[in-house]
Amino acid sequence: AQSVTQPDIHITVSEGASLELRCNYSYGATPYLFWYVQSPGQGLQLLLKYFSGDTLVQGIKGFEAEFKRSQSSFNLRKPSVHWSDAAEYFCAVGASGGSYIPTFGRGTSLIVHP
Amino acid sequence: DAGVIQSPRHEVTEMGQEVTLRCKPISGHNSLFWYRQTMMRGLELLIYFNNNVPIDDSGMPEDRFSAKMPNASFSTLKIQPSEPRDSAVYFCASSLRSGKQETQYFGPGTRLLVL
Repeated sequence: AQSVTQPDIHITVSEGASLELRCNYSYGATPYLFWYVQSPGQGLQLLLKYFSGDTLVQGIKGFEAEFKRSQSSFNLRKPSVHWSDAAEYFCAVGASGGSYIPTFGRGTSLIVHP
Repeated sequence: DAGVIQSPRHEVTEMGQEVTLRCKPISGHNSLFWYRQTMMRGLELLIYFNNNVPIDDSGMPEDRFSAKMPNASFSTLKIQPSEPRDSAVYFCASSLRSGKQETQYFGPGTRLLVL
């Protein structure tokens, strides 16, 4: 079975600074990978996904993520954070060869200082 | 598309009462998922349906929880009787299962408080 770890419970950055949220997965084959964002009181919104092909994936709101098979990682990045990016971010991994159901990480809470 | 629609958005009830949460998936999607989110346990998958048929309900906490999907455009999650420990945010998500690649789209959630 697949699993995903988000090592950072909270991340604090200043507005305008760059951001990297870490995600490590465990799965024996090529995984399907997702990043979702949850604003306070809202549902989860898909930011980006990786199924195959180019390992650098562009998403909405200026986010990107890079799949690194050698490191079993799918870190989320943004070059310049805006105050509106403050939210909870979830990484999820799906199994390409088994269950269709993705496994979600525990989330990373992003705090943005003005 | 209106996205996944959930109702009610907030529910406050007393212990022992029946609670029914409703979900309308995105039109054309053939899979539907119910999740529960709490601070302690994070996001938990309760049950999912494919083509209106329950496929895996191993995440349903106990017999007090039941879910139905009478047609492709409607699903309910019922808790009877409700208990304070059921207080959580319940999300419905839907997806189009095509081959092995699918993406889940979430509704806004129902915040349930059981007193």
